[in-house]
Amino acid sequence: NAGVTQTPKFQVLKTGQSMTLQCAQDMNHNSMYWYRQDPGMGLRLIYYSASEGTTDKGEVPNGYNVSRLNKREFSLRLESAAPSQTSVYFCASKAFRIGLLVPATDTQYFGPGTRLTVL
Amino acid sequence: QQPVQSPQAVILREGEDAVINCSSSKALYSVHWYRQKHGEAPVFLMILLKGGEQKGHEKISASFNEKKQQSSLYLTASQLSYSGTYFCGTADANHNNDMRFGAGTRLTVKP
Repeated sequence: NAGVTQTPKFQVLKTGQSMTLQCAQDMNHNSMYWYRQDPGMGLRLIYYSASEGTTDKGEVPNGYNVSRLNKREFSLRLESAAPSQTSVYFCASKAFRIGLLVPATDTQYFGPGTRLTVL
Repeated sequence: QQPVQSPQAVILREGEDAVINCSSSKALYSVHWYRQKHGEAPVFLMILLKGGEQKGHEKISASFNEKKQQSSLYLTASQLSYSGTYFCGTADANHNNDMRFGAGTRLTVKP
């Protein structure tokens, strides 16, 4: 199993350009997440998809869109990149929790990250 | 809302102990602890659920006080390999699948 994979690993954009970050998982997880990590800020949730067909905003959704293409794939799109979006982006996945029923491994597995620089 | 972690940074000598705290303003259902090495993805350490349980992994353990909405991570007899940034992630009862992370605690273990 590859776990959670992300592409690309590095990207440099000019202000105003658009791009899509790809994420895929092979663990049959229902829930997938996009985080950004800035120095001293920890991980901030951008968007998540609790299950296939649903997406929800997190803490910092402005400037981003997401698509849950199928159960395996969850992409993050920057329509018009800005320097403030320079960050490391992590995708994560986990099993879906229903009410108080917690799967034995109710934990998030992270991809290796995408380092994005917007000039 | 993001949980609050303290301290922001800790420097230890090998063999010393450390405690990292995580608190939330919301009622928590679960607390997750992760460690991240520089340039790598966060790696799961342990999860604690409502009930005030305490868990351990080798010389790293954690507790969860749901009444105080706090969790603490205990690192005993630290090793060089413990160096990294530790994050707590919290999920509240109303947002089961939406986890928020603290800003992290940078732990440095020196020989």
